[in-house]
Amino acid sequence: SSELTQDPAVSVALGQTVRITCQGDILTSYYASWYQQKPGQAPVLVIYGNNNRPSGIPDRFSGSNSGNTASLTITGAQAEDEADYYCNCRDNNDYHVIFGGGTKVTVL
Amino acid sequence: EVQLVQSGAEVKKPGESLKISCKGSGYSFTSYWIGWVRQMPGKGLEWMGIIYPGDSDTRYSPSFQGQVTISADKSISTAYLQWSSLKASDTAMYYCASHQLYRRNYYGMDVWGQGTTVTVSS
Repeated sequence: SSELTQDPAVSVALGQTVRITCQGDILTSYYASWYQQKPGQAPVLVIYGNNNRPSGIPDRFSGSNSGNTASLTITGAQAEDEADYYCNCRDNNDYHVIFGGGTKVTVL
Repeated sequence: EVQLVQSGAEVKKPGESLKISCKGSGYSFTSYWIGWVRQMPGKGLEWMGIIYPGDSDTRYSPSFQGQVTISADKSISTAYLQWSSLKASDTAMYYCASHQLYRRNYYGMDVWGQGTTVTVSS
């Protein structure tokens, strides 16, 4: 099956912009989704279909997908954005799904 | 309100069997794939497999094929994850999630259960 690769950790100063990337050849074929997970909580979908925000997700979260790299950008990071972020995509195996390893975002 | 409510925490011994549940409400349970995600302590999310409650079509990640059984009872809008013989390495948090998964496209897991902690220890 395919793989999605994320950097383990990134940090961002309060109010600044951070981009989290997810690499995998499968991203040239299918949309990426992104999830935010805070300690002790279930994941929350923040981006679907590469660049769409579900209702209730702040517009400082945006997504893109170019070539084999999907990105989640937080513009004007807030303290409450400190969390683990996972990318997710459909696999080539029929109706299978895969996750990236996750990126821990620290807001300084 | 669309929600998935999972059964409570479990503490089991190695070799025991277990079935945990995930009850959907507020949407057409039979119309969307619903699946399970494992999170071992301090680790990332792992996709285990999915079921389409409308016809019980089931797909498993190669990593979990043969290790667990996913099922659903559409009459009570509930999905299940089952083990026949637990191992210590099954200790983890397990989430159910509704998948926006279609023939050509996938739009993520939009609704998640609160998680069920499974602890396997002698």
